[in-house]
Amino acid sequence: QQQVKQSPQSLIVQKGGISIINCAYENTAFDYFPWYQQFPGKGPALLIAIRPDVSEKKEGRFTISFNKSAKQFSLHIMDSQPGDSATYFCAASSPLGNNQGGKLIFGQGTELSVKP
Amino acid sequence: DGGITQSPKYLFRKEGQNVTLSCEQNLNHDAMYWYRQDPGQGLRLIYYSQIVNDFQKGDIAEGYSVSREKKESFPLTVTSAQKNPTAFYLCASSIKFGGGNNQPQHFGDGTRLSIL
Repeated sequence: QQQVKQSPQSLIVQKGGISIINCAYENTAFDYFPWYQQFPGKGPALLIAIRPDVSEKKEGRFTISFNKSAKQFSLHIMDSQPGDSATYFCAASSPLGNNQGGKLIFGQGTELSVKP
Repeated sequence: DGGITQSPKYLFRKEGQNVTLSCEQNLNHDAMYWYRQDPGQGLRLIYYSQIVNDFQKGDIAEGYSVSREKKESFPLTVTSAQKNPTAFYLCASSIKFGGGNNQPQHFGDGTRLSIL
């Protein structure tokens, strides 16, 4: 129940296209859903995050869509660029006091390649 | 220039040897974390510390040990009991443990450990 399932494992998109990465969860106590971006040989960096009280959050070309009833959330990268080529991780956490509360549970990661 | 410094960048371990990975932060964060990253498995929590002189086991603590004697330092020892230590190790910190979107986790650039 603590898992976060991420798909696809890898994604190839043409420059200018839309990249879409999906995550699903079971634990309804999760209340924080961040996305991290990781370049080769580097640590992950927070890209964008959402709380379940909103259905969408946009920051520049990056948008999180959140479907509470389906227990799914996704990252959309508009106008994808070669510089977006990286590994993307979704994650989720529940409040302190819950079982495993406070810990970030990560998805398996998606390796995105944007072709010029 | 605030951040998290992990050293060394690459480390090799011989059979039966303990090795220690360094993690230092100058962000004045209370909470620190160690993750292990394997291909296709996302990030898995090894140990975390909510405050100095305190630490708890994560999901895969067997074969690892930590200490938190100073706020800015959280070294990880990979002991000879860890039979499959080859991985990318990431250290992270946050203002407080379990802070969610107001207090995200910040990551270092990792240490890659290999077996000789």
